Amino acid sequence: KNQVEQSPQSLIILEGKNCTLQCNYTVSPFSNLRWYKQDTGRGPVSLTIMTFSENTKSNGRYTATLDADTKQSSLHITASQLSDSASYICVVILYGNNRLAFGKGNQVVVIP
Amino acid sequence: EPEVTQTPSHQVTQMGQEVILRCVPISNHLYFYWYRQILGQKVEFLVSFYNNEISEKSEIFDDQFSVERPDGSNFTLKIRSTKLEDSAMYFCASSVSGGAGETQYFGPGTRLLVL
Repeated sequence: KNQVEQSPQSLIILEGKNCTLQCNYTVSPFSNLRWYKQDTGRGPVSLTIMTFSENTKSNGRYTATLDADTKQSSLHITASQLSDSASYICVVILYGNNRLAFGKGNQVVVIP
Repeated sequence: EPEVTQTPSHQVTQMGQEVILRCVPISNHLYFYWYRQILGQKVEFLVSFYNNEISEKSEIFDDQFSVERPDGSNFTLKIRSTKLEDSAMYFCASSVSGGAGETQYFGPGTRLLVL
């Protein structure tokens, strides 16, 4: 079964600090992997997209990494801001039907 | 910047009632999707729609569900006879094409509560 697991489930960090979120997946084959940000009560918004051949992708203070051999991805947030408080969802796009397989999300709370 | 919109933002209904959730995709997008997210759970794919027909659906999308594009702008999800377990956040999304690299843009969601 195609699974996307994320850790930690939730995280509290101080404003200005960095954090790293983990995603492990068993989806195979996949065409690409995305990280989405979901603010409370809102729909997910795409942050990064990587194909299986890419190792890293940045979007401002967000940097995603991908290791297709170990089936792991991470999202690093640099110099966190209060507006970074959200759920960060790892999404793997299945090869062939392009269906999205969602992780449960990492809930990040940034405190002043 | 254009965005996907959904109405209503919240809906409360009695078990067994029919509900229609409405979405207005981004105007130049051709592919439309419905997802749901039960409280505390993962986002789950329901159905994709292209060229006025369903292109793919999940096992969740049973005969109680239907989708329609009644005009050039709206995309609707109908639940014929709601059950308690249909309580969830329902997200509509759209994309320019159905390719793997194409970004799906999500609406803000409709929170459905079935009593």
